[in-house]
Order: sequence, then structure tokens, then C-alpha cells
Amino acid sequence: EVQLVESGGGLVKPGGSLRLSCAASGFTFSIYSMNWVRQAPGKGLEWVSSISSTSTYKYYADSVKGRFTVSRDNAKHSLYLQMNSLRAEDTAVYYCARDHVGSPEGNWGQGTLVTVSS
Amino acid sequence: QPVLTQSSSASASLGSSVKLTCTLSSGHSNYIIAWHQQQPGKAPRYLMKVESSGSNNKGSGVPDRFSGSSSGADRYLTISNLQSEDEADYYCETWDSDTRVFGGGTKLTVL
Repeated sequence: EVQLVESGGGLVKPGGSLRLSCAASGFTFSIYSMNWVRQAPGKGLEWVSSISSTSTYKYYADSVKGRFTVSRDNAKHSLYLQMNSLRAEDTAVYYCARDHVGSPEGNWGQGTLVTVSS
Repeated sequence: QPVLTQSSSASASLGSSVKLTCTLSSGHSNYIIAWHQQQPGKAPRYLMKVESSGSNNKGSGVPDRFSGSSSGADRYLTISNLQSEDEADYYCETWDSDTRVFGGGTKLTVL
């Protein structure tokens, strides 16, 4: 069974940093691209970042470019999102998702809440 | 980059069928989209991809009541024999070489 478990969320002050992790299991992590998607309270889904299977390609939404960095460790079956210079508008539940592009299907984690507030 | 447009809400009666629409912006009518379901208080769930030809492949465990189709720039999600657990937000998603886009979501109410 595919499992994606996010961690690392919490309360952080504006301008602060946080590192999210996503532990993957139940599939061959190293061959899949992975995504981060967020959802602000009461709002819709917003794509944040994508990373290819070998980390060759990394893409970011304009709203986080230059502040967030995606990475992965295939040996540890883990995905990461380093978030710097956090703003109030970054407050959201952050989901880790196995990419469905070029794959039979996608999968989502349960999400981790990031709250940016003074 | 592509833009996806969804109606904000829809409703249908228990046991009936409903067809949700996701419309691709001009110049992107041949794009593949994916449908995701988000039940209240839960994480999203991948449902299926829908191609411009109408062909679609569902995720494992997605009931046969869910199907996808296409017409021009419109991509559809049809849910037959509506159940109470189908009450959820439904999002479509598409992608380009370096970006992903979600529609605003449709809130489905089962009456």
C-alpha cells in the first residue's frame, strides 16, 4: 500500500524557516517525480513545487520561487521542502503527492499544517 | 500557462447522476487533466486522468460509478448512483513542462 507521511509543520513567525519532510513507502520511490501542494484554510489546492525522480529537474510556483527549496533523498525514500522567509500567506496544509504524470495513478499524503503568525 | 475553470458548486439527489465540468483555457484544449476528490476534513484523493479523446484511467479502488469524458476544451467527471460519501470538493488539475495548475474546485452537495 502506498503511504506518504508528512511531518515538520508547526507555528512559525513571519520571516522564519521550516523544513517539511515526507516519508514514502509502498512503492519504488526513486522512479517517481514528487510534488508539494498546499491548501490555505478554506481555499482550494495550490501547486507549490515538483521534483523529478533523480532531482535533475525542480520547479516552483511563482509565489514561492526563491524562498522554497525542494529536495529528495532516494536512499531514505524521503521528500523535503525547505521553506525560508515565510509569510502569513504561506499558512496552509502542505501535502506531499506522488506524481501521476506518466504514471498509472497518483497518491496524496495526509498533509501537515504550517501556520505563519506572530 | 493553462487555466482551468470549474463551477463553484453543484448539487444532485442521492441515487442520481451528476456531471462536473472542467474547462481548459484557449490554446490548451488538447491538454490532459486529472480529477481529485477531497471529502470534508480529508486529504485529496486521485480519481483519474482524462485525455482530449475522452479516454481515461482511474486510480485503484475508484468505484465504477466514476467516469470521465471530454468534448473540446471541456473535461467531465460523471458520478452515477450518487452516494452520501460522494459529497466532496472536486478539483481538476493540468500541467505544462514546468508548472501545475488546479481549478478552483466544485463543491458537490448530495441532497
